[in-house]
Amino acid sequence: AQTVTQSQPEMSVQEAETVTLSCTYDTSENNYYLFWYKQPPSRQMILVIRQEAYKQQNATENRFSVNFQKAAKSFSLKISDSQLGDTAMYFCAFLSTGSSKIIFGKGTRLHILP
Amino acid sequence: DAGVTQSPTHLIKTRGQQVTLRCSPKSGHDTVSWYQQALGQGPQFIFQYYEEEERQRGNFPDRFSGHQYPNYSSELNVNALLLGDSALYLCASGRAGGFPGTDTQYFGPGTRLTVL
Repeated sequence: AQTVTQSQPEMSVQEAETVTLSCTYDTSENNYYLFWYKQPPSRQMILVIRQEAYKQQNATENRFSVNFQKAAKSFSLKISDSQLGDTAMYFCAFLSTGSSKIIFGKGTRLHILP
Repeated sequence: DAGVTQSPTHLIKTRGQQVTLRCSPKSGHDTVSWYQQALGQGPQFIFQYYEEEERQRGNFPDRFSGHQYPNYSSELNVNALLLGDSALYLCASGRAGGFPGTDTQYFGPGTRLTVL
């Protein structure tokens, strides 16, 4: 069974700094998808960024980028020039090809300090 | 364009009761997935509905059941409530033919269920 592990329960950084959230996963599959979701206090789960396992190039979305290491089964999220609005829970997630079941990690609570 | 909507926002029930939660998918979407998010945890997949049938199910007991209507809206029913069923219940909608994980996973704001 696939698992997703986020080893940082909570992090705090100053506004405008760069922060990296860690995630590791376990799977025997070769093709799959990885995601980072953001859940602010409003509870709405928002997709931040996605990565297809068959792509070697790391995904980027504006200030958000990932470091995808397939062999190491590592998928970290880097937030550059952090903003107060980035304060939220961040979940790393895994999806098998052909499945509808997204598997989430336990999350990292990120605080951006003014 | 309204996104995924859920009702009610909050709900309080007692042990043994039954509850129904509702979800309206985003316009153009035809699948609905339900997730349970316990306090301090990540969401866990309950099941997905497509074409009014349960297409995939997670590791949840039969007390959890669902339904999808022809207009693609969905209900989650939980019978014989336990204290451990207290959680945030999230609904996610998508397009069956869409790109996995993105076209298929727009989340609603959730229903907070408290079982006393």
